[in-house]
Amino acid sequence: EAQVTQNPRYLITVTGKKLTVTCSQNMNHEYMSWYRQDPGLGLRQIYYSMNVEVTDKGDVPEGYKVSRKEKRNFPLILESPSPNQTSLYFCASGRGMGYTFGSGTRLTVV
Amino acid sequence: GIQVEQSPPDLILQEGANSTLRCNFSDSVNNLQWFHQNPWGQLINLFYIPSGTKQNGRLSATTVATERYSLLYISSSQTTDSGVYFCAADSNYQLIWGAGTKLIIKP
Repeated sequence: EAQVTQNPRYLITVTGKKLTVTCSQNMNHEYMSWYRQDPGLGLRQIYYSMNVEVTDKGDVPEGYKVSRKEKRNFPLILESPSPNQTSLYFCASGRGMGYTFGSGTRLTVV
Repeated sequence: GIQVEQSPPDLILQEGANSTLRCNFSDSVNNLQWFHQNPWGQLINLFYIPSGTKQNGRLSATTVATERYSLLYISSSQTTDSGVYFCAADSNYQLIWGAGTKLIIKP
């Protein structure tokens, strides 16, 4: 089954404690991306990756890092989380008709 | 950059009713997509529709690219249709999202 697996689903952490949200896809897609969703807004892109070792900033990259060492994995790293990064995060794989989203990670930073 | 606006922001209907959701976009886009976010937060890809009309069961979508709008039609609504409907424009390696239409279907 084609899927995008995100972990964890829920996370509560404290300000400044580094964390990683993992994302893995089994569709051999070259393109992957990360979005955040905040109340009253649509999703906004954080970072995207066109292929292994190729990443670029989206609209809201501040405070985030990503890496793409393997085609299937695209982790999102928050090195020093702050309360304004409390949000619902989605990883996406593929583009166009092939967009597939993970189940989301609800992050709370206190 | 491209702006995407959706209307109405909220819609409450009785089961069995029909509805039309609208999406306006400010500039030419490579394609337009519709998504449904269910009450558990999961995002489902409904339509990839850069132009023309597509139908999938009780749902259909029409995009008029020259006039920069898209419509999503839901007929004979069911309670499982509840959730938030988003349109998103594909531009420069990202999706630009509208704020969504929150749809509540009452039994």
